[in-house]
Amino acid sequence: AQRVTQPEKLLSVFKGAPVELKCNYSYSGSPELFWYVQYSRQRLQLLLRHISRESIKGFTADLNKGETSFHLKKPFAQEEDSAMYYCALRTDSWGKLQFGAGTQVVVTP
Amino acid sequence: SAVISQKPSRDICQRGTSLTIQCQVDSQVTMMFWYRQQPGQSLTLIATANQGSEATYESGFVIDKFPISRPNLTFSTLTVSNMSPEDSSIYLCSVYTDRASTEAFFGQGTRLTVV
Repeated sequence: AQRVTQPEKLLSVFKGAPVELKCNYSYSGSPELFWYVQYSRQRLQLLLRHISRESIKGFTADLNKGETSFHLKKPFAQEEDSAMYYCALRTDSWGKLQFGAGTQVVVTP
Repeated sequence: SAVISQKPSRDICQRGTSLTIQCQVDSQVTMMFWYRQQPGQSLTLIATANQGSEATYESGFVIDKFPISRPNLTFSTLTVSNMSPEDSSIYLCSVYTDRASTEAFFGQGTRLTVV
Protein backbone atom coordinates (compact mmCIF):
# COMPACT_ATOMS: atom_id res chain seq x y z
CA ALA A 1 0.00 0.00 0.00
CA GLN A 2 1.17 3.53 -0.65
CA ARG A 3 2.01 5.60 2.34
CA VAL A 4 3.85 8.79 3.24
CA THR A 5 5.25 9.09 6.74
CA GLN A 6 6.45 12.23 8.43
CA PRO A 7 7.43 11.17 11.93
CA GLU A 8 7.84 14.63 13.43
CA LYS A 9 4.74 16.70 14.12
CA LEU A 10 6.75 19.64 15.40
CA LEU A 11 10.32 20.78 14.89
CA SER A 12 11.58 23.70 16.89
CA VAL A 13 14.98 25.09 15.88
CA PHE A 14 17.01 28.18 16.50
CA LYS A 15 17.72 30.67 13.74
CA GLY A 16 20.94 29.73 11.99
CA ALA A 17 20.76 26.09 13.03
CA PRO A 18 20.34 23.27 10.50
CA VAL A 19 16.91 21.79 10.02
CA GLU A 20 15.96 18.42 8.60
CA LEU A 21 12.41 17.23 8.04
CA LYS A 22 12.04 13.51 7.59
CA CYS A 23 9.83 11.86 5.01
CA ASN A 24 9.60 8.17 4.22
CA TYR A 25 7.37 6.62 1.62
CA SER A 26 5.99 3.29 0.56
CA TYR A 27 5.09 2.92 -3.11
CA SER A 28 5.25 0.03 -5.55
CA GLY A 29 5.89 2.15 -8.63
CA SER A 30 8.49 4.75 -9.54
CA PRO A 31 7.93 7.51 -6.97
CA GLU A 32 7.38 11.18 -7.69
CA LEU A 33 7.85 13.10 -4.48
CA PHE A 34 7.26 16.68 -3.50
CA TRP A 35 7.48 19.01 -0.56
CA TYR A 36 4.62 21.47 -0.13
CA VAL A 37 4.65 24.33 2.36
CA GLN A 38 1.94 26.38 3.99
CA TYR A 39 2.98 29.65 5.59
CA SER A 40 0.70 31.31 8.10
CA ARG A 41 -2.48 32.62 6.43
CA GLN A 42 -1.30 31.53 2.99
CA ARG A 43 -2.42 28.72 0.78
CA LEU A 44 -0.54 25.49 0.29
CA GLN A 45 2.19 25.83 -2.32
CA LEU A 46 4.90 23.75 -3.90
CA LEU A 47 8.36 24.05 -2.40
CA LEU A 48 10.37 21.30 -4.08
CA ARG A 49 9.95 18.42 -6.48
CA HIS A 50 12.48 15.60 -6.55
CA ILE A 51 12.77 15.43 -10.33
CA SER A 52 14.09 18.98 -10.48
CA ARG A 53 16.92 18.39 -8.00
CA GLU A 54 16.68 22.07 -7.21
CA SER A 55 17.40 24.23 -4.19
CA ILE A 56 14.56 26.55 -3.26
CA LYS A 57 14.88 29.10 -0.45
CA GLY A 58 17.99 27.20 0.64
CA PHE A 59 16.11 23.92 0.98
CA THR A 60 17.18 20.72 -0.74
CA ALA A 61 15.74 17.23 -0.75
CA ASP A 62 17.26 14.08 -2.15
CA LEU A 63 15.30 11.02 -3.12
CA ASN A 64 16.92 7.92 -1.63
CA LYS A 65 15.20 4.91 -3.17
CA GLY A 66 17.21 2.46 -1.08
CA GLU A 67 15.96 4.01 2.15
CA THR A 68 12.64 5.10 0.56
CA SER A 69 13.21 8.57 1.93
CA PHE A 70 12.89 12.17 0.74
CA HIS A 71 14.14 14.25 3.63
CA LEU A 72 14.08 18.04 3.41
CA LYS A 73 17.15 19.92 4.63
CA LYS A 74 18.36 23.44 5.11
CA PRO A 75 21.76 24.24 6.60
CA PHE A 76 20.79 27.52 8.24
CA ALA A 77 17.18 28.03 9.28
CA GLN A 78 15.61 31.48 9.06
CA GLU A 79 12.61 32.83 10.93
CA GLU A 80 10.66 33.05 7.68
CA ASP A 81 10.98 29.27 7.34
CA SER A 82 8.42 28.85 10.11
CA ALA A 83 5.55 27.03 8.42
CA MET A 84 3.79 23.71 7.97
CA TYR A 85 5.61 21.35 5.62
CA TYR A 86 3.99 18.40 3.85
CA CYS A 87 5.72 15.62 1.99
CA ALA A 88 3.58 14.33 -0.87
CA LEU A 89 3.65 11.37 -3.23
CA ARG A 90 2.09 11.57 -6.66
CA THR A 91 0.13 8.38 -7.17
CA ASP A 92 -1.17 8.58 -10.72
CA SER A 93 -0.58 10.31 -14.04
CA TRP A 94 -3.42 12.77 -13.44
CA GLY A 95 -1.74 14.16 -10.34
CA LYS A 96 -3.43 12.62 -7.33
CA LEU A 97 -1.34 13.34 -4.27
CA GLN A 98 -0.98 11.41 -1.05
CA PHE A 99 0.22 13.64 1.75
CA GLY A 100 2.13 12.93 4.91
CA ALA A 101 0.80 14.16 8.23
CA GLY A 102 2.86 17.33 8.04
CA THR A 103 5.62 18.84 10.18
CA GLN A 104 5.23 22.20 11.85
CA VAL A 105 8.55 24.04 11.85
CA VAL A 106 9.10 26.85 14.32
CA VAL A 107 12.28 28.88 14.01
CA THR A 108 13.06 30.98 17.04
CA PRO A 109 15.52 33.86 17.10
CA SER B 1 0.41 29.26 -12.57
CA ALA B 2 -3.25 29.03 -11.67
CA VAL B 3 -5.32 31.23 -9.41
CA ILE B 4 -8.09 29.40 -7.59
CA SER B 5 -10.96 31.07 -5.76
CA GLN B 6 -13.04 29.11 -3.32
CA LYS B 7 -16.34 30.18 -1.84
CA PRO B 8 -17.27 30.37 0.91
CA SER B 9 -14.01 30.79 2.80
CA ARG B 10 -15.70 29.59 5.96
CA ASP B 11 -19.13 28.63 7.24
CA ILE B 12 -20.85 27.35 10.33
CA CYS B 13 -23.68 24.97 9.54
CA GLN B 14 -26.34 23.05 11.42
CA ARG B 15 -26.13 19.28 11.42
CA GLY B 16 -28.36 17.65 8.86
CA THR B 17 -28.02 20.47 6.36
CA SER B 18 -25.88 20.63 3.20
CA LEU B 19 -23.26 23.07 2.03
CA THR B 20 -22.02 23.62 -1.51
CA ILE B 21 -18.46 24.81 -1.98
CA GLN B 22 -17.48 26.50 -5.21
CA CYS B 23 -14.09 26.40 -6.88
CA GLN B 24 -13.30 28.79 -9.72
CA VAL B 25 -10.03 28.64 -11.67
CA ASP B 26 -8.66 31.45 -13.81
CA SER B 27 -7.75 29.06 -16.65
CA GLN B 28 -9.13 25.91 -18.22
CA VAL B 29 -7.97 22.72 -16.55
CA THR B 30 -8.70 19.09 -17.25
CA MET B 31 -8.90 17.71 -13.74
CA MET B 32 -9.92 19.28 -10.49
CA PHE B 33 -9.18 17.60 -7.18
CA TRP B 34 -11.07 17.96 -3.92
CA TYR B 35 -9.25 17.36 -0.63
CA ARG B 36 -10.35 17.33 2.98
CA GLN B 37 -8.23 18.29 5.94
CA GLN B 38 -9.78 17.29 9.23
CA PRO B 39 -8.61 19.08 12.39
CA GLY B 40 -5.03 18.10 13.18
CA GLN B 41 -4.88 15.77 10.21
CA SER B 42 -3.27 15.81 6.81
CA LEU B 43 -4.94 16.33 3.46
CA THR B 44 -6.96 13.44 2.12
CA LEU B 45 -8.21 13.23 -1.45
CA ILE B 46 -11.99 13.02 -1.69
CA ALA B 47 -12.46 12.82 -5.44
CA THR B 48 -11.21 13.81 -8.86
CA ALA B 49 -13.53 15.76 -11.14
CA ASN B 50 -13.22 15.64 -14.92
CA GLN B 51 -15.41 17.87 -17.05
CA GLY B 52 -18.15 15.95 -18.79
CA SER B 53 -17.98 12.81 -16.71
CA GLU B 54 -18.81 11.67 -13.21
CA ALA B 55 -16.30 12.32 -10.50
CA THR B 56 -14.07 9.50 -9.33
CA TYR B 57 -14.20 8.99 -5.58
CA GLU B 58 -11.50 7.67 -3.30
CA SER B 59 -12.05 4.83 -0.91
CA GLY B 60 -14.19 5.95 1.99
CA PHE B 61 -15.96 8.72 0.10
CA VAL B 62 -19.27 8.31 -1.74
CA ILE B 63 -21.21 10.40 -4.21
CA ASP B 64 -24.33 10.58 -2.04
CA LYS B 65 -22.38 12.28 0.73
CA PHE B 66 -20.08 14.41 -1.45
CA PRO B 67 -21.76 15.09 -4.81
CA ILE B 68 -19.54 16.97 -7.21
CA SER B 69 -20.41 18.97 -10.29
CA ARG B 70 -18.02 19.96 -13.05
CA PRO B 71 -20.04 21.92 -15.61
CA ASN B 72 -17.07 23.40 -17.46
CA LEU B 73 -13.28 23.52 -17.54
CA THR B 74 -12.92 26.35 -15.01
CA PHE B 75 -15.47 25.53 -12.34
CA SER B 76 -16.48 22.80 -9.92
CA THR B 77 -18.62 22.43 -6.83
CA LEU B 78 -18.43 20.03 -3.92
CA THR B 79 -21.48 19.54 -1.75
CA VAL B 80 -21.20 18.17 1.76
CA SER B 81 -24.58 16.57 2.38
CA ASN B 82 -26.48 15.77 5.56
CA MET B 83 -23.67 17.16 7.63
CA SER B 84 -22.55 15.92 11.01
CA PRO B 85 -19.90 17.37 13.33
CA GLU B 86 -17.43 14.83 11.89
CA ASP B 87 -17.60 16.75 8.61
CA SER B 88 -15.99 19.77 10.25
CA SER B 89 -12.87 20.21 8.16
CA ILE B 90 -11.09 22.41 5.70
CA TYR B 91 -12.03 21.54 2.14
CA LEU B 92 -9.61 22.44 -0.63
CA CYS B 93 -9.71 22.26 -4.36
CA SER B 94 -6.58 21.79 -6.42
CA VAL B 95 -5.59 21.83 -10.08
CA TYR B 96 -2.66 21.44 -12.41
CA THR B 97 -2.30 23.90 -15.27
CA ASP B 98 -1.81 21.08 -17.76
CA ARG B 99 -1.32 17.32 -17.93
CA ALA B 100 2.47 17.65 -18.08
CA SER B 101 2.69 19.90 -15.04
CA THR B 102 4.00 18.53 -11.77
CA GLU B 103 3.00 21.52 -9.63
CA ALA B 104 -0.40 21.40 -7.97
CA PHE B 105 -2.11 24.70 -7.16
CA PHE B 106 -4.51 24.98 -4.25
CA GLY B 107 -7.40 27.16 -3.31
CA GLN B 108 -7.34 28.94 0.02
CA GLY B 109 -9.73 26.40 1.46
CA THR B 110 -13.20 26.42 2.95
CA ARG B 111 -13.28 26.02 6.71
CA LEU B 112 -16.49 24.23 7.64
CA THR B 113 -17.77 23.89 11.19
CA VAL B 114 -20.83 21.75 11.80
CA VAL B 115 -22.71 22.34 15.04
